[in-house]
Amino acid sequence: AQTVTQSQPEMSVQEAETVTLSCTYDTSENNYYLFWYKQPPSRQMILVIRQEAYKQQNATENRFSVNFQKAAKSFSLKISDSQLGDTAMYFCAFMMGNGANSKLTFGKGITLSVRP
Amino acid sequence: DTAVSQTPKYLVTQMGNDKSIKCEQNLGHDTMYWYKQDSKKFLKIMFSYNNKELIINETVPNRFSPKSPDKAHLNLHINSLELGDSAVYFCASSQSFGRAREQYFGPGTRLTVT
Repeated sequence: AQTVTQSQPEMSVQEAETVTLSCTYDTSENNYYLFWYKQPPSRQMILVIRQEAYKQQNATENRFSVNFQKAAKSFSLKISDSQLGDTAMYFCAFMMGNGANSKLTFGKGITLSVRP
Repeated sequence: DTAVSQTPKYLVTQMGNDKSIKCEQNLGHDTMYWYKQDSKKFLKIMFSYNNKELIINETVPNRFSPKSPDKAHLNLHINSLELGDSAVYFCASSQSFGRAREQYFGPGTRLTVT
């Protein structure tokens, strides 16, 4: 079974600074996807970024980028130029790449607070 | 335009009652899911359906019965509600093939059982 570990329960960052959220996972599979989801106080689950395991290049979406280390099974999220609206809970998630049997396995999440 | 919608967003009911949550997606996806988020914010898969066929059923009490009348809808019916069923229930959808496999979530339904 796959597991996802987010060991930091919470972090705080000053507005405009950069913060990195850690995530590690465990799997014996070679074909999979990794995601970061954001859940603000509104509770909506918002996809931030995704990474396909076969791609060596790290995914980037505007101020959000990942550091994907496949051998180390590490998938950290870097948020640059933090904004107040980034305050939310962030979940790292793993998904197998085998079609319809594709559930998301989530980490416990990390609460990020951006200070003005 | 709402991509994945759920109704109701809030549901307060008493123990022993039966209730349903409805989910609809207009993204043309072929797979839909139910996730449960507990009081500690932990998210766990409950069910998934692909083209109206049950694919995943994760050790969920049989008081929970999903129903998918078509690819765009996945409803969740809960019988004999218990206090421990209080949680936020999320519906999600995705495509089971191709490169764009990410799951899109509905707004969630906060169920409170008293």
